This record gives sequence, C-alpha cells and structure tokens, in this order.
Amino acid sequence: DAGVTQSPTHLIKTRGQQVTLRCSPISGHKSVSWYQQVLGQGPQFIFQYYEKEERGRGNFPDRFSARQFPNYSSELNVNALLLGDSALYLCASSLGRGFSNTGELFFGEGSRLTVL
Amino acid sequence: GQQLNQSPQSMFIQEGEDVSMNCTSSSIFNTWLWYKQDPGEGPVLLIALYKAGELTSNGRLTAQFGITRKDSFLNISASIPSDVGIYFCAGQNYGGSQGNLIFGKGTKLSVKP
Repeated sequence: DAGVTQSPTHLIKTRGQQVTLRCSPISGHKSVSWYQQVLGQGPQFIFQYYEKEERGRGNFPDRFSARQFPNYSSELNVNALLLGDSALYLCASSLGRGFSNTGELFFGEGSRLTVL
Repeated sequence: GQQLNQSPQSMFIQEGEDVSMNCTSSSIFNTWLWYKQDPGEGPVLLIALYKAGELTSNGRLTAQFGITRKDSFLNISASIPSDVGIYFCAGQNYGGSQGNLIFGKGTKLSVKP
C-alpha cells in the first residue's frame, strides 16, 4: 500500500510569492496534519484536518492556510512568502478521531521549500 | 508553550554498543512517540507509548513512558550502521488536537563501524 505522498518534492520561490503544497494520506486515513521543519529542529505543528474540517492550528500566521478534500487529500497554502518560510513541509496522516491509536502519525517525505 | 528537552543532542558510538536517549517535558503528555528521520526523508514511527510506566520493544529498540508522564526514554541495543539518523521524541496532550505532536529537537546518532 502507498504511504503518504507529497508534491512537489522540491521547489524554489521568491519573497512575496505564494505556494501550494499537496498531500495524499494513506488509504483509509481520514486525518491529515501539516508540519514545518526548519533545518536542525524538530517538526512544528501547523494544522490538523479531519473530515474536511480544521481540528487544530499551531502558532503560525494567517498567511498559512489549508484545506481537506472529500477524498481526504489536503493542500497547504502559504501566501506572501518570507525568507524564514524556507523549510521542509511535512504532511502526516492518521486514522482520525475515535481510534485508540490516533496519536500515531505517519509522515510523507516532505516538500522542501526554498525562498530566495 | 510546551517544550520537550531531548538529550543528548548528538552521539557518536562504536558499532555494537548500546544507545540511550531521553526526553523530558514541563507538562504531562498522554502519548509519547519516537521517530527516526534519515536525511531528505520524513520521520518514521518507531514506537508509540500510551500508558504511564509502559515499556515497549520493537526489535532492538525499547522505549518507556515515564511514571510521571513527563518523560520517556529510548534504548537501542547492539547498534548497527543503519541506526544512523536523527531520533525525535514527540508528545501528545489530552484535549489537544490529535494531530498536534510536540517534538523534541532530536538526537543525532552516528555509528562508527
């Protein structure tokens, strides 16, 4: 079975531009979470979506937004890019609420964003 | 906000040695997880812990959920070269978003053959 897939794997943008990152969760998983990982740090939580609704949001500015589609795939959008947005953006999927093991997140390989 | 203190930051050991790393928190968690991340890849789940005092093994890996619920450790026995990578602890809270894990800064493991 396919794991979590993310696209694109690498991209370069300039300051002020906008970017959209995409994620397909593991088949059967209904929850998608987004994380930002800056070099040398652990991942930081941005959003969680479950059944197309936002279920949690981390401490990120409103320039960051996301959505989840009926097939449970998800997009992360970042507007007005700053140099500091350069990072690895990770998508993670899980079964979702109502399952005892909902703490287990399975990560994709990430989208490496470089902002120049 | 909550923070996880993970130690050591890095380790450089001989192949065959045992490894121990730990994580402490200022707050209680109801779930502890340990992940391994190789360069250019996403974190891979190694072990998940759900109960205080729980001791769980996965092959050569053993992890424990601290009794106070504010700490966890991971042991790797008889290390091999493929154990190289960055190990992250992560905690999850009651009442928080289930997708919201708090990560430590990682322990970088290097193994000398």
